[in-house]
Amino acid sequence: AQKITQTQPGMFVQEKEAVTLDCTYDTSDPSYGLFWYKQPSSGEMIFLIYQGSYDQQNATEGRYSLNFQKARKSANLVISASQLGDSAMYFCAMRGNAGKSTFGDGTTLTVKP
Amino acid sequence: KAGVTQTPRYLIKTRGQQVTLSCSPISGHRSVSWYQQTPGQGLQFLFEYFSETQRNKGNFPGRFSGRQFSNSRSEMNVSTLELGDSALYLCASSEGEAQYYNEQFFGPGTRLTVL
Repeated sequence: AQKITQTQPGMFVQEKEAVTLDCTYDTSDPSYGLFWYKQPSSGEMIFLIYQGSYDQQNATEGRYSLNFQKARKSANLVISASQLGDSAMYFCAMRGNAGKSTFGDGTTLTVKP
Repeated sequence: KAGVTQTPRYLIKTRGQQVTLSCSPISGHRSVSWYQQTPGQGLQFLFEYFSETQRNKGNFPGRFSGRQFSNSRSEMNVSTLELGDSALYLCASSEGEAQYYNEQFFGPGTRLTVL
């Protein structure tokens, strides 16, 4: 079984500062993918970044980077230079060999001006 | 390319009725997944279709069903609606069959309210 844990229900960050959103996972699959999505109040899920279990380097996409620590089973999202538009719910998700996706409970990020 | 589209965007039904939701994936994408999002249960996987075949199924009762057409468009049906079925239903598409390395792109969702 797969499990995703996001321990921060809510986070606050000052505009232009960096913030780290935590995600730990558990799986018995040897191959898996880790994803982060952003969900604004409109409801649409926006793909942010992907990390494969065999990837040696941490993934980066613009201001987003994924701090992948395989031995600790963690996949934290780092957002640099926060913007007001970053205020949203953020979900960590995992997809295993069978293709099923499991999502965490999400972290609500509020960026303060 | 156009993104994933879902219709209708909002729906109000009463208990006992049935409902059909539609999802059109990104052009060229052959895999469609459905998710239910509620405040209490979070995001839960319903099922996934690839090339008109159901490849994966979540832990939902048989009242929830789906299908995929030859043009990759998918429909989800919920029969005998219950109050607890009120949720945001999200559809996501992937280019290939569900694999751990395939990104999913989500639609805007259909918000279903059951009265």
